[in-house]
Amino acid sequence: IQLTQSPSSLSASVGDRVTITCRASQGISSYLAWYQQKPGKAPKLLIYAASTLQSGVPSRFSGSGSVTDFTLTISSLQPEDFATYYCQQLITFGQGTRLEIK
Amino acid sequence: EVQLVESGGGLVQPGGSLRLSCAASGFTFSNYAMHWVRQGPGRGLEFVSAISSNGGSTYYANSVKGRFTISRDNSKNTLYLQMGSLSAEDMAVYFCARALGTGYCSSTSCYNYYGMDVWGQGTTVTVSS
Repeated sequence: IQLTQSPSSLSASVGDRVTITCRASQGISSYLAWYQQKPGKAPKLLIYAASTLQSGVPSRFSGSGSVTDFTLTISSLQPEDFATYYCQQLITFGQGTRLEIK
Repeated sequence: EVQLVESGGGLVQPGGSLRLSCAASGFTFSNYAMHWVRQGPGRGLEFVSAISSNGGSTYYANSVKGRFTISRDNSKNTLYLQMGSLSAEDMAVYFCARALGTGYCSSTSCYNYYGMDVWGQGTTVTVSS
């Protein structure tokens, strides 16, 4: 199974609503997770089971989708949200989406 | 505090070997499957290896199969990755990570697997002559 994220990079402003997509090459279960990674740091789990918010993660983050198409949405970007985001399903990671400040 | 601390990275010559360790604290280590994930310079995340909570099931990415061995010592709360026949393609930051909940992956499938909720800070492996 391959996971393809789009876009690969994205420029946005504080306060914007942002959506990142993760598409699977074949239908998968909802065992999809989203991570945030900042430079020089370990990834941080944001969402698991496609839509369940990990404890301690701000509610502006949300996940949705099923079968082959999944999305991560940040409802109102904050300065600390500029980072790279990865989806994961079982032993496969997406290639990442770099979110930059416009 | 729940914590994972990797060690053992460093400079190794092509063809050489290295053993990474990951010391766990703040949780019952023996209850959780564990993983090694790596990230090459400027690259994305790659799932390298996984081991079930009792060590009975393991998974290896094709890129490391036959060269790397994952193991754990639940009495020492420590995860290991023995790496051999290293090449430039293995140069990366290696993270250990805990499975969320009771999920784990074996060589054939993953079970109740939701991702990784605790990560170490990473240890860097450099392969160069």
